[in-house]
Amino acid sequence: GAVVSQHPSRVICKSGTSVKIECRSLDFQATTMFWYRQFPKQSLMLMATSNEGSKATYEQGVEKDKFLINHASLTLSTLTVTSAHPEDSSFYICSARDLGSGREKLFFGSGTQLSVL
Amino acid sequence: GENVEQHPSTLSVQEGDSAVIKCTYSDSASNYFPWYKQELGKGPQLIIDIRSNVGEKKDQRIAVTLNKTAKHFSLHITETQPEDSAVYFCAASPGRNAGNMLTFGGGTRLMVKP
Repeated sequence: GAVVSQHPSRVICKSGTSVKIECRSLDFQATTMFWYRQFPKQSLMLMATSNEGSKATYEQGVEKDKFLINHASLTLSTLTVTSAHPEDSSFYICSARDLGSGREKLFFGSGTQLSVL
Repeated sequence: GENVEQHPSTLSVQEGDSAVIKCTYSDSASNYFPWYKQELGKGPQLIIDIRSNVGEKKDQRIAVTLNKTAKHFSLHITETQPEDSAVYFCAASPGRNAGNMLTFGGGTRLMVKP
């Protein structure tokens, strides 16, 4: 299947700092990428849909000023957690569709474990 | 919107036995149903998927069945191995009219005992 690369895999930061997470589609172009958040032993919760060249679409309850999304190219989307606080600690996962594999297939990155001290 | 329920939440089987995970969905417009396997600390990996025009699909030890009338679909793993231990998620998508958005089930933690 298509490869989605996500970095970093783990980050520890101090409260109040900002953290950027990168999501790259390695062997395909992705006009749309998705960002999910996952708490321990829970399912994936969609945070926002990232659209190349336009503003992201955020799910209800997700603060767009808190979670900044930039999708500047067809292979890269970034999620920046601004002024991070301990309650932002979570597992963040990006995903992208490979239109060449069929419009429905969604492939995930390896995830980023964010720990805010 | 779509609601996907998944059962059981945990499943323990002996190595070599079969495992079955079931999901139900609410939106009759859903037409794409993927299954993902997530190992600890990693992102979900697509293992098999099925579209609504097909009732069953098989890939080696993994199979998925779909009953559109009853709005439920199941994942079957035969001859389970310890490396099958992971969390499995089902999902449903209403297709292009809804932006192909996936709604995930709550997940099933499968433990295969050697």
